[in-house]
Amino acid sequence: DAKTTQPTSMDCAEGRAANLPCNHSTISGNEYVYWYRQIHSQGPQYIIHGLKNNETNEMASLIITEDRKSSTLILPHATLRDTAVYYCIVRVLQGGGNKLTFGTGTQLKVEL
Amino acid sequence: EAGVTQFPSHSVIEKGQTVTLRCDPISGHDNLYWYRRVMGKEIKFLLHFVKESKQDESGMPNNRFLAERTGGTYSTLKVQPAELEDSGVYFCASSQGGGRGPRNEQFFGPGTRLTVL
Repeated sequence: DAKTTQPTSMDCAEGRAANLPCNHSTISGNEYVYWYRQIHSQGPQYIIHGLKNNETNEMASLIITEDRKSSTLILPHATLRDTAVYYCIVRVLQGGGNKLTFGTGTQLKVEL
Repeated sequence: EAGVTQFPSHSVIEKGQTVTLRCDPISGHDNLYWYRRVMGKEIKFLLHFVKESKQDESGMPNNRFLAERTGGTYSTLKVQPAELEDSGVYFCASSQGGGRGPRNEQFFGPGTRLTVL
């Protein structure tokens, strides 16, 4: 399984862009990068995923470096409700299933 | 559309007792997963059902844990007998497809907080 490395915590001012980095230097060519987040007392929530191209949806943008060894999740206009633990996950395929391997994640705190 | 639901939201039991957690996936989702986070640790995968069959149970910690998915609908996770180290939050997730496709994101329930005294 490819391992991911994320900063333990980050702060962001409300209304500003939050840029959350992730290193996955041992990622394989057919593995995708997924981002989930967990808001306190809730279950994890899917945000976005990508293989090698940059991706954008209504929640966030995902920038993957050309060598695919790192990526950045961008929340363009962070709000207080975006305070959560953000997990960068490399997709594991085992027996046809899609189990997710969570690391320690980044605790993002959005402040006024 | 209803999301993944879990019952109960909280459970407090004594060591040696039995507890059964229930998960109702999103309607039509063939894939159902159990995860848990024990105190101070990361969220860990327990097992994966495809319909009523166990696809991957590599994360089940020991034989005190039994998961079932009758008829491929809801699932139960029984812990018997419960030990102190089983305390934590148990999450259930479901996805529409499975296999090798990347688009089948997992939708998580709110979790069941289990406390073993």
